[in-house]
Amino acid sequence: AQSVSQHNHHVILSEAASLELGCNYSYGGTVNLFWYVQYPGQHLQLLLKYFSGDPLVKGIKGFEAEFIKSKFSFNLRKPSVQWSDTAEYFCAVIVGSSNTGKLIFGQGTTLQVKP
Amino acid sequence: DAGVIQSPRHEVTEMGQEVTLRCKPISGHDYLFWYRQTMMRGLELLIYFNNNVPIDDSGMPEDRFSAKMPNASFSTLKIQPSEPRDSAVYFCASRRGLAGADTQYFGPGTRLTVL
Repeated sequence: AQSVSQHNHHVILSEAASLELGCNYSYGGTVNLFWYVQYPGQHLQLLLKYFSGDPLVKGIKGFEAEFIKSKFSFNLRKPSVQWSDTAEYFCAVIVGSSNTGKLIFGQGTTLQVKP
Repeated sequence: DAGVIQSPRHEVTEMGQEVTLRCKPISGHDYLFWYRQTMMRGLELLIYFNNNVPIDDSGMPEDRFSAKMPNASFSTLKIQPSEPRDSAVYFCASRRGLAGADTQYFGPGTRLTVL
């Protein structure tokens, strides 16, 4: 079965530190990839998505992610985090080129940014 | 647009009671999803609809759970009878169009506590 793995469950950084959150998926075919963010007490919001074209995707709030097909990875990066980036981050994938609609989520990574 | 609307935002009930969660998708969206979020299991897709028709209910945990979508602007998720292990945050999400081409928008969630 398809799955999404987020290796870092809990990350603590100081402000201005660089961030990279790992995401790997297990599926050999066409995938559409997403990163969602959930701020404390709020619902999930889309950070960025990849479905074709340039494998380096830029999202909101200075986040970016790189799709590396050979590594089945879609890591999230930000050069300098802020206290307001404290949240839970979810990687997700829709597999296949058909219209299945099913988003498969990773377990999430909790990011805590210390001021 | 007001986004995906869920009600109630919080529900506290006793074991054995019936619980009904409600969702209004974004107007024009033809896909609707129900998710459950817990600390132990993360985000799980329970069921999703396309044009009001259930497409995949393989994530529904057991017969105590049922979901309906009587029209394009309303869906319910019912738990009868409820059990303490059903305590979780239940999210509804909606999307328009083909997989990957459109963003899935999440509602604010219903935090369910079963005593």
